[in-house]
Amino acid sequence: GQQLNQSPQSMFIQEGEDVSMNCTSSSIFNTWLWYKQDPGEGPVLLIALYKAGELTSNGRLTAQFGITRKDSFLNISASIPSDVGIYFCAGPFYNQGGKLIFGQGTELSVKP
Amino acid sequence: SAVISQKPSRDICQRGTSLTIQCQVDSQVTMMFWYRQQPGQSLTLIATANQGSEATYESGFVIDKFPISRPNLTFSTLTVSNMSPEDSSIYLCSVAGTGGGYGYTFGSGTRLTVV
Repeated sequence: GQQLNQSPQSMFIQEGEDVSMNCTSSSIFNTWLWYKQDPGEGPVLLIALYKAGELTSNGRLTAQFGITRKDSFLNISASIPSDVGIYFCAGPFYNQGGKLIFGQGTELSVKP
Repeated sequence: SAVISQKPSRDICQRGTSLTIQCQVDSQVTMMFWYRQQPGQSLTLIATANQGSEATYESGFVIDKFPISRPNLTFSTLTVSNMSPEDSSIYLCSVAGTGGGYGYTFGSGTRLTVV
């Protein structure tokens, strides 16, 4: 089925380092969403992007909606141990009731 | 954003039995979504549940295996029927954002283990 291609699959970084992950699709999206999932929890929305070319920040997180509307990236600056978790990109299909499809996820590990 | 209460948070079930998962939202929503997350995997949509109509199932998911109820605008249930170990997953409900946005909110999930 349809899927977003997210990379990298996993990252092991040192506390204080910056992190970047991205998501690409063969389909155009009008909205890109970035979620974080902690163990034993459901995904929590970090950033929502609604306009091609949009750059949005949420604290140490910055995400951009690609100009082609087929990609997005998420950056985390100055990582801290609580950034550990799985990050997912997601896009809604407006013409299919707004259902979301998800990327494969990026598992982030931060070494203190 | 909406607050979702999902029950149970986890369960261990015998194969061949069924489990019903409940999802309660603190506001009225038109559509509710049910996802499955297999171990180490991403989220896959099972079905979309609209109040007053039958759920719409994604390819690979059937009503006999995953019957869904949507009796009102704040509640839905998903039943995992005739379970096998392959059904061991996290099941999550979700609702779309309000105010024109698509910031979907998720429940905390039901971690199901079938033995």
